Amino acid sequence: AQKITQTQPGMFVQEKEAVTLDCTYDTSDPSYGLFWYKQPSSGEMIFLIYQGSYDQQNATEGRYSLNFQKARKSANLVISASQLGDSAMYFCAMREGPSNYQLIWGAGTKLIIKP
Amino acid sequence: DTGVSQNPRHKITKRGQNVTFRCDPISEHNRLYWYRQTLGQGPEFLTYFQNEAQLEKSRLLSDRFSAERPKGSFSTLEIQRTEQGDSAMYLCATRTSGGADEQFFGPGTRLTVL
Repeated sequence: AQKITQTQPGMFVQEKEAVTLDCTYDTSDPSYGLFWYKQPSSGEMIFLIYQGSYDQQNATEGRYSLNFQKARKSANLVISASQLGDSAMYFCAMREGPSNYQLIWGAGTKLIIKP
Repeated sequence: DTGVSQNPRHKITKRGQNVTFRCDPISEHNRLYWYRQTLGQGPEFLTYFQNEAQLEKSRLLSDRFSAERPKGSFSTLEIQRTEQGDSAMYLCATRTSGGADEQFFGPGTRLTVL
């Protein structure tokens, strides 16, 4: 079974609108971490936001927020007031366990912002 | 620029040749990861170092692949007898122990095996 599922291969969004990118995860470990990264066409992987499984509040970083619904095993990324520069691939990733080393990645969502 | 550098940025080689990639981490980062990313997919974990110790290796890391981090600073990833299926982006990421969980990625090395 897929550990990280991103069901939207691609999305088109009008500039200045908010956008939600979906991510569901599968783990039986009570301690885990969820990450979102952005990968522009230039290729570098840019960290956006992190949510720990024991965090009570949803994580926020500027225009990015993570809608964490633990019971549903959902960790959607919300980008408010989208900009043309937000066009990129977006990846959801998970670290299982408190000391596990690797990140498990979803297949990504290609987001295109229309002017 | 995250401060993690990778060289070369691009490598084209013929099938059967050996290739070596280098990753230079942010200086205070003692944890270093190698990932492989094929077109249209998310990265796949290859191996992990804490200081100079290689603590975890993926099943993806066949015996043609070897990674080292001899002094706990830069790391090298070598692929012997390259195959066309090795064509991919090879990403290096680093982080500190404790503190923030995020991994900082280098720009990657794109390998094309002809």
